Amino acid sequence: DVPMTQSPSSLSASVGDRVTITCRASRSISDYLNWYQQKPGKAPKLLISRASNLQSGVPSKFSGSGSGTDFTLTISSLQPEDSATYYCQQSYNPLYTFGQGTKLEIK
Amino acid sequence: QLRLQESGPGLMKPSETLSLTCTVSGGSIRNGDYNWGWIRQPPGKGLEWIASIYYSGSNSYYNPSLKSRVTISVDTSKNQFSLKLTSVTAADTAVYFCARLGYSSGAGDNWGQGTLVTVSS
Repeated sequence: DVPMTQSPSSLSASVGDRVTITCRASRSISDYLNWYQQKPGKAPKLLISRASNLQSGVPSKFSGSGSGTDFTLTISSLQPEDSATYYCQQSYNPLYTFGQGTKLEIK
Repeated sequence: QLRLQESGPGLMKPSETLSLTCTVSGGSIRNGDYNWGWIRQPPGKGLEWIASIYYSGSNSYYNPSLKSRVTISVDTSKNQFSLKLTSVTAADTAVYFCARLGYSSGAGDNWGQGTLVTVSS
């Protein structure tokens, strides 16, 4: 399998800030990297597929980049509703793996 | 609008076999653009992919750490897919999600609400 390492594990930011979450693959996964947002008690919601493809209906404040082993999720103009845990997932190898998650708190 | 709904036992005893079913409505499970999968989340922890399957059953994939205990299957006549996990322990206590996964992207674009399975003696 392909272990995924996310950082930071948690972060706190203020309304209006921009934050970046990083995901690193143990080996190259091309652009087969997906990002999810999960709120407490809810199923994960797909934000971005294939590293940078914003899903329909997802605000453009979310953006993704990267290829190979290093990827980022950037969230701009933070609002209270962005408080959630964010996960990356590699899908290059059909034995999918998730990062450990990044808990985002909005101050 | 596509909807996925998990069904399962809720509470189980150690050593039993967990059987979960995901019923797909508002679309066909025979759509060749997707795989169908199971993901779980222990209380307070992260997501763990368990298994995926193509609608024809021709391709299935399993998490290596669970492979010896897991079987995924699909019933196109009922528009359902299922998961069996044998010899459960407390470590299998989790919310179990079913999801539709893009065939080429591998991204889960539709998820069920999840069902909590608790293993306790």
